[in-house]
Amino acid sequence: GENVEQHPSTLSVQEGDSAVIKCTYSDSASNYFPWYKQELGKRPQLIIDIRSNVGEKKDQRIAVTLNKTAKHFSLHITETQPEDSAVYFCAASMGSGGSYIPTFGRGTSLIVHP
Amino acid sequence: NAGVTQTPKFQVLKTGQSMTLQCAQDMNHNSMYWYRQDPGMGLRLIYYSASEGTTDKGEVPNGYNVSRLNKREFSLRLESAAPSQTSVYFCASSERWDYGYTFGSGTRLTVV
Repeated sequence: GENVEQHPSTLSVQEGDSAVIKCTYSDSASNYFPWYKQELGKRPQLIIDIRSNVGEKKDQRIAVTLNKTAKHFSLHITETQPEDSAVYFCAASMGSGGSYIPTFGRGTSLIVHP
Repeated sequence: NAGVTQTPKFQVLKTGQSMTLQCAQDMNHNSMYWYRQDPGMGLRLIYYSASEGTTDKGEVPNGYNVSRLNKREFSLRLESAAPSQTSVYFCASSERWDYGYTFGSGTRLTVV
């Protein structure tokens, strides 16, 4: 089955700095890669996703890049703000007859210091 | 638009008791999922339902059962609760395989 490794487990930055979280996956058939943000005590929420036919996607201060050859994808947050502090999860999945199971990374705790 | 609604939000059970966690979505999504979240373990899939009428085991199904009651509702049952089932449980739904999940607000379950 698919295996997703996420690094680092904790990331501490100063407000205004950039943050990068990286995930690697094992199954080359995976072709959908979402990222979720989970604030303390809240539910995970989808913040951005990328499909395998695209190398990069941006949404304001957030971007995701995908390297299919190396089987890794990364979340980039620029100009970090204290409200970006949360746990971020990556996932990888593949379509199979309409039924699929995404595999999640174990999460990265991002702390943005004012 | 409620999205995914889970009940209850908090529950304390004694070892051996049973309970059912309820989940309902109003987005006409085909697929629904139950996850548990433990510190440092991320999100682990318990059971899922790819479409109405089907259910399948996930990574950690032991001690749980599920029912896809209709397209909207997907319940999770603990028949005989154990302290190892103390966790936060999330229900989620998705329209199709390459769309992200919408999660419910979670149920914090403590088994004593």
